[in-house]
Amino acid sequence: DTAVSQTPKYLVTQMGNDKSIKCEQNLGHDTMYWYKQDSKKFLKIMFSYNNKELIINETVPNRFSPKSPDKAHLNLHINSLELGDSAVYFCASSPSLAGQDEQYFGPGTRLTVT
Amino acid sequence: AQKVTQAQTEISVVEKEDVTLDCVYETRDTTYYLFWYKQPPSGELVFLIRRNSFDEQNEISGRYSWNFQKSTSSFNFTITASQVVDSAVYFCALSESYGDSWGKLQFGAGTQVVVTP
Repeated sequence: DTAVSQTPKYLVTQMGNDKSIKCEQNLGHDTMYWYKQDSKKFLKIMFSYNNKELIINETVPNRFSPKSPDKAHLNLHINSLELGDSAVYFCASSPSLAGQDEQYFGPGTRLTVT
Repeated sequence: AQKVTQAQTEISVVEKEDVTLDCVYETRDTTYYLFWYKQPPSGELVFLIRRNSFDEQNEISGRYSWNFQKSTSSFNFTITASQVVDSAVYFCALSESYGDSWGKLQFGAGTQVVVTP
């Protein structure tokens, strides 16, 4: 059973389009995250949600809008895609917001904007 | 400012050699947590270890060992008798307990380990 799953795995689209990435966790965790990994492999947190409530919004352009319909799902919608949005996006979950909790990562979604 | 520094961008070794990955962190918190994750060529992120700031015991898990030293703010990772399957990018990460950094996993830039047969 996949603990944290993301769809799609690959996404190729043109500038200006709108796209969504979906994430689901079956671990019963309260907290979910979105991270962006750039071409140099640098990983940076974008958002975190705890029990459907937005906790962290890390100075991400407002073209990025996360939505958590329930605590097992966290989707990421991106409007007006730009070349600089090309990256790998990872979803993660943890039991709680507590700093000691290990985060479980999904397989990543490689977004390519042309 | 970068709170986790992994100064080694890439380390290349021949199989069976030992390799040590350096991680230096910066925090004012007294309670914090340090992590290592592995990202193999397939791309997923795999949790390796968590250490809290109150536990300076070194840890060994098979061929992996970790050396946590608060005095030098370092949490180094050694792979003994490396194998080709150890080829991956290894990330050190910090989680703080207070202030703006609460709830965030802050990653270093990663160290690419290349093990050749």
